[in-house]
Amino acid sequence: GIQVEQSPPDLILQEGANSTLRCNFSDSVNNLQWFHQNPWGQLINLFYIPSGTKQNGRLSATTVATERYSLLYISSSQTTDSGVYFCAAGRLNFGNEKLTFGTGTRLTIIP
Amino acid sequence: DGGITQSPKYLFRKEGQNVTLSCEQNLNHDAMYWYRQDPGQGLRLIYYSQIVNDFQKGDIAEGYSVSREKKESFPLTVTSAQKNPTAFYLCASSIVGGLAGAYEQYFGPGTRLTVT
Repeated sequence: GIQVEQSPPDLILQEGANSTLRCNFSDSVNNLQWFHQNPWGQLINLFYIPSGTKQNGRLSATTVATERYSLLYISSSQTTDSGVYFCAAGRLNFGNEKLTFGTGTRLTIIP
Repeated sequence: DGGITQSPKYLFRKEGQNVTLSCEQNLNHDAMYWYRQDPGQGLRLIYYSQIVNDFQKGDIAEGYSVSREKKESFPLTVTSAQKNPTAFYLCASSIVGGLAGAYEQYFGPGTRLTVT
């Protein structure tokens, strides 16, 4: 199956700083999603981005499918951005699609 | 409001007992999934279903069972055969992928199961 690796595992930043989170995957994918897990465990969808670039406010993401990586950018960090960010990748196989998750990047924003 | 509900939020059981976790969605999605998350880890797929009355094992299906009698519902039973059942369980749903490509998965709020 697909292997998904995220880096860095932990990131501590001052409020207002910018950050880049990376996700490498081992095979071509049909699905690539970024999630933010809040302190209560809820997974919040950030981006569905199997290729290309998307932006949503202070967050943006880029997936370079040919080179098998995706980047999540957070600009002007706020304390509410703290939490764990997961990347998940999936590949269609005879109509079935399973997401494989990375182990996440824990982001801590200090006021 | 469209979404995915899971109940209960917290569940405590004694070792040796089977327990069933509920997952309901009103998004009209055909596909539903169950994942398990252990502390400090990513999510791992337990079971998934793309159509009523059909489901497939994921990566860690041993000790679990599911049913899909209705499109809206996909309950998960954690049996006494599951060696380490204490975990955070998350349910998800999506439109079924196909020739047009894969589709985004959406998650419920999760159930924290503690077995002692």
